[in-house]
Amino acid sequence: AQSVTQLDSHVSVSEGTPVLLRCNYSSSYSPSLFWYVQHPNKGLQLLLKYTSAATLVKGINGFEAEFKKSETSFHLTKPSAHMSDAAEYFCVVSDPQGGKLIFGQGTELSVKP
Amino acid sequence: EPEVTQTPSHQVTQMGQEVILRCVPISNHLYFYWYRQILGQKVEFLVSFYNNEISEKSEIFDDQFSVERPDGSNFTLKIRSTKLEDSAMYFCASSADRASTDTQYFGPGTRLTVL
Repeated sequence: AQSVTQLDSHVSVSEGTPVLLRCNYSSSYSPSLFWYVQHPNKGLQLLLKYTSAATLVKGINGFEAEFKKSETSFHLTKPSAHMSDAAEYFCVVSDPQGGKLIFGQGTELSVKP
Repeated sequence: EPEVTQTPSHQVTQMGQEVILRCVPISNHLYFYWYRQILGQKVEFLVSFYNNEISEKSEIFDDQFSVERPDGSNFTLKIRSTKLEDSAMYFCASSADRASTDTQYFGPGTRLTVL
Protein backbone atom coordinates (compact mmCIF):
# COMPACT_ATOMS: atom_id res chain seq x y z
CA ALA A 1 0.00 0.00 0.00
CA GLN A 2 1.05 3.55 -0.67
CA SER A 3 1.45 6.19 2.02
CA VAL A 4 3.20 9.47 2.66
CA THR A 5 4.38 11.03 5.88
CA GLN A 6 5.03 14.72 6.21
CA LEU A 7 7.49 15.12 8.99
CA ASP A 8 6.52 18.61 10.12
CA SER A 9 3.01 19.85 10.77
CA HIS A 10 4.20 23.46 10.86
CA VAL A 11 7.27 25.21 9.47
CA SER A 12 8.07 28.86 10.04
CA VAL A 13 10.70 30.76 8.03
CA SER A 14 11.67 34.37 7.51
CA GLU A 15 11.11 36.02 4.16
CA GLY A 16 14.13 35.54 1.93
CA THR A 17 15.38 32.41 3.70
CA PRO A 18 15.23 28.86 2.30
CA VAL A 19 12.23 26.61 2.66
CA LEU A 20 12.41 22.88 3.32
CA LEU A 21 9.25 20.81 3.69
CA ARG A 22 9.94 17.15 4.34
CA CYS A 23 8.08 14.16 2.96
CA ASN A 24 8.76 10.44 3.12
CA TYR A 25 6.81 7.93 1.11
CA SER A 26 6.11 4.24 1.22
CA SER A 27 5.26 2.40 -1.96
CA SER A 28 5.54 -1.11 -3.27
CA TYR A 29 5.64 0.26 -6.80
CA SER A 30 7.66 2.95 -8.49
CA PRO A 31 5.66 5.88 -7.16
CA SER A 32 4.20 8.96 -8.74
CA LEU A 33 4.57 11.79 -6.25
CA PHE A 34 3.06 15.24 -6.14
CA TRP A 35 3.16 18.38 -4.07
CA TYR A 36 -0.03 20.41 -3.85
CA VAL A 37 -0.50 23.78 -2.17
CA GLN A 38 -3.65 25.12 -0.56
CA HIS A 39 -3.90 28.82 0.16
CA PRO A 40 -6.52 29.96 2.67
CA ASN A 41 -10.05 29.55 1.30
CA LYS A 42 -8.69 28.29 -2.01
CA GLY A 43 -8.57 24.89 -3.71
CA LEU A 44 -5.63 22.57 -4.12
CA GLN A 45 -3.11 23.68 -6.71
CA LEU A 46 -0.46 21.42 -8.19
CA LEU A 47 3.07 22.65 -7.50
CA LEU A 48 5.00 19.84 -9.15
CA LYS A 49 5.03 16.11 -9.82
CA TYR A 50 7.51 13.27 -10.14
CA THR A 51 6.72 10.46 -12.55
CA SER A 52 9.99 8.49 -12.86
CA ALA A 53 11.73 10.86 -15.21
CA ALA A 54 14.29 13.32 -13.80
CA THR A 55 14.74 12.96 -10.06
CA LEU A 56 14.95 16.73 -9.56
CA VAL A 57 11.60 18.22 -10.41
CA LYS A 58 11.00 21.92 -10.88
CA GLY A 59 7.60 23.37 -10.19
CA ILE A 60 5.81 26.66 -10.14
CA ASN A 61 6.78 29.70 -8.06
CA GLY A 62 10.41 28.61 -7.70
CA PHE A 63 9.71 25.37 -5.84
CA GLU A 64 11.50 22.14 -6.58
CA ALA A 65 11.63 18.66 -5.12
CA GLU A 66 14.11 15.83 -5.33
CA PHE A 67 13.09 12.19 -5.48
CA LYS A 68 15.55 10.06 -3.49
CA LYS A 69 14.74 6.39 -3.73
CA SER A 70 17.43 5.34 -1.27
CA GLU A 71 15.92 7.60 1.37
CA THR A 72 12.29 7.19 0.22
CA SER A 73 12.01 10.95 0.35
CA PHE A 74 10.52 13.70 -1.78
CA HIS A 75 11.33 16.91 0.06
CA LEU A 76 10.11 20.26 -1.24
CA THR A 77 12.50 23.20 -1.31
CA LYS A 78 12.66 26.82 -2.34
CA PRO A 79 15.79 28.95 -2.11
CA SER A 80 14.09 32.11 -0.91
CA ALA A 81 10.68 32.31 0.77
CA HIS A 82 8.16 34.97 -0.14
CA MET A 83 5.27 36.16 1.97
CA SER A 84 2.86 34.77 -0.62
CA ASP A 85 4.23 31.25 -0.03
CA ALA A 86 2.40 31.07 3.30
CA ALA A 87 -0.05 28.18 2.82
CA GLU A 88 -0.68 24.51 3.55
CA TYR A 89 1.44 22.09 1.53
CA PHE A 90 0.50 18.49 0.85
CA CYS A 91 2.76 15.68 -0.26
CA VAL A 92 0.75 13.16 -2.26
CA VAL A 93 1.30 9.73 -3.77
CA SER A 94 -1.00 8.20 -6.36
CA ASP A 95 -2.31 4.68 -6.32
CA PRO A 96 -0.95 2.96 -9.45
CA GLN A 97 -3.96 0.69 -9.72
CA GLY A 98 -6.67 3.26 -9.78
CA GLY A 99 -5.23 6.71 -9.76
CA LYS A 100 -6.68 7.84 -6.44
CA LEU A 101 -4.49 10.24 -4.53
CA ILE A 102 -3.22 9.52 -1.03
CA PHE A 103 -2.43 12.65 0.93
CA GLY A 104 0.01 13.37 3.69
CA GLN A 105 -1.11 15.22 6.77
CA GLY A 106 -0.05 18.58 5.40
CA THR A 107 2.56 21.11 6.48
CA GLU A 108 1.55 24.65 7.26
CA LEU A 109 4.19 27.10 6.11
CA SER A 110 4.37 30.48 7.82
CA VAL A 111 6.57 33.25 6.42
CA LYS A 112 7.64 36.04 8.74
CA PRO A 113 8.55 39.48 7.40
CA GLU B 1 -6.79 28.26 -18.34
CA PRO B 2 -9.51 25.64 -17.82
CA GLU B 3 -10.45 24.96 -14.24
CA VAL B 4 -12.72 22.82 -12.12
CA THR B 5 -15.58 24.73 -10.55
CA GLN B 6 -17.75 23.79 -7.59
CA THR B 7 -21.02 25.10 -6.23
CA PRO B 8 -22.00 26.14 -3.68
CA SER B 9 -18.88 27.36 -1.93
CA HIS B 10 -20.57 26.88 1.44
CA GLN B 11 -23.61 24.79 2.32
CA VAL B 12 -25.27 24.71 5.72
CA THR B 13 -27.83 21.99 6.37
CA GLN B 14 -29.69 20.32 9.17
CA MET B 15 -28.83 16.78 10.21
CA GLY B 16 -30.89 14.26 8.27
CA GLN B 17 -31.34 16.49 5.23
CA GLU B 18 -30.18 15.64 1.75
CA VAL B 19 -27.50 17.73 0.08
CA ILE B 20 -26.17 17.79 -3.45
CA LEU B 21 -22.74 19.19 -4.15
CA ARG B 22 -22.06 20.18 -7.70
CA CYS B 23 -18.91 20.19 -9.77
CA VAL B 24 -18.09 21.11 -13.34
CA PRO B 25 -14.91 19.26 -14.35
CA ILE B 26 -12.51 20.40 -17.05
CA SER B 27 -14.33 19.84 -20.31
CA ASN B 28 -12.14 17.23 -22.02
CA HIS B 29 -11.46 15.24 -18.87
CA LEU B 30 -12.88 11.75 -18.49
CA TYR B 31 -12.10 10.81 -14.88
CA PHE B 32 -13.74 12.43 -11.92
CA TYR B 33 -13.12 12.25 -8.20
CA TRP B 34 -14.48 13.41 -4.89
CA TYR B 35 -12.29 13.94 -1.83
CA ARG B 36 -13.08 15.39 1.54
CA GLN B 37 -11.14 17.08 4.29
CA ILE B 38 -12.55 17.15 7.79
CA LEU B 39 -11.23 20.16 9.69
CA GLY B 40 -7.76 19.43 11.01
CA GLN B 41 -7.48 16.09 9.22
CA LYS B 42 -6.02 14.69 6.01
CA VAL B 43 -7.61 15.01 2.62
CA GLU B 44 -9.32 11.64 2.03
CA PHE B 45 -10.39 9.94 -1.18
CA LEU B 46 -14.12 9.22 -1.47
CA VAL B 47 -14.84 7.98 -4.96
CA SER B 48 -13.67 7.91 -8.56
CA PHE B 49 -15.97 7.84 -11.57
CA TYR B 50 -15.46 7.00 -15.23
CA ASN B 51 -17.73 6.17 -18.12
CA ASN B 52 -20.83 6.75 -16.03
CA GLU B 53 -19.93 4.35 -13.29
CA ILE B 54 -17.97 4.24 -10.08
CA SER B 55 -14.43 2.99 -10.61
CA GLU B 56 -13.41 2.86 -6.99
CA LYS B 57 -14.81 3.96 -3.66
CA SER B 58 -13.44 4.19 -0.16
CA GLU B 59 -14.90 2.80 3.06
CA ILE B 60 -16.24 6.28 3.78
CA PHE B 61 -18.43 6.17 0.67
CA ASP B 62 -21.31 4.18 2.12
CA ASP B 63 -24.93 3.89 1.01
CA GLN B 64 -25.64 7.46 2.09
CA PHE B 65 -23.43 8.74 -0.71
CA SER B 66 -24.01 8.65 -4.43
CA VAL B 67 -22.46 10.28 -7.47
CA GLU B 68 -23.93 11.11 -10.82
CA ARG B 69 -23.06 12.78 -14.08
CA PRO B 70 -26.53 13.96 -15.03
CA ASP B 71 -25.46 15.71 -18.21
CA GLY B 72 -22.32 16.31 -20.23
CA SER B 73 -20.83 18.81 -17.85
CA ASN B 74 -21.91 18.39 -14.22
CA PHE B 75 -20.68 15.84 -11.72
CA THR B 76 -22.58 15.65 -8.45
CA LEU B 77 -22.13 14.17 -5.00
CA LYS B 78 -25.32 13.48 -3.07
CA ILE B 79 -25.50 12.77 0.62
CA ARG B 80 -28.94 11.33 1.35
CA SER B 81 -29.25 11.91 5.07
CA THR B 82 -26.49 14.08 6.45
CA LYS B 83 -24.82 13.40 9.76
CA LEU B 84 -22.84 15.78 11.95
CA GLU B 85 -19.66 13.95 10.98
CA ASP B 86 -20.25 14.74 7.30
CA SER B 87 -19.20 18.32 8.03
CA ALA B 88 -16.09 18.82 5.92
CA MET B 89 -14.63 20.50 2.87
CA TYR B 90 -15.50 18.49 -0.21
CA PHE B 91 -13.21 18.72 -3.22
CA CYS B 92 -14.00 17.63 -6.74
CA ALA B 93 -11.15 16.75 -9.10
CA SER B 94 -10.82 15.67 -12.69
CA SER B 95 -8.11 14.21 -14.90
CA ALA B 96 -7.70 13.40 -18.55
CA ASP B 97 -6.49 9.89 -17.80
CA ARG B 98 -6.55 7.54 -14.83
CA ALA B 99 -2.86 6.80 -15.01
CA SER B 100 -1.13 7.32 -11.71
CA THR B 101 1.12 9.78 -13.49
CA ASP B 102 -1.71 11.97 -14.64
CA THR B 103 -2.47 15.21 -12.84
CA GLN B 104 -5.74 15.64 -11.02
CA TYR B 105 -7.04 19.19 -11.09
CA PHE B 106 -9.01 20.27 -8.06
CA GLY B 107 -11.89 22.65 -7.62
CA PRO B 108 -12.00 25.25 -4.84
CA GLY B 109 -14.15 23.03 -2.63
CA THR B 110 -17.54 23.17 -0.97
CA ARG B 111 -17.57 23.63 2.76
CA LEU B 112 -20.44 21.56 4.16
CA THR B 113 -21.65 22.35 7.66
CA VAL B 114 -24.18 19.97 9.22
CA LEU B 115 -26.01 21.33 12.25
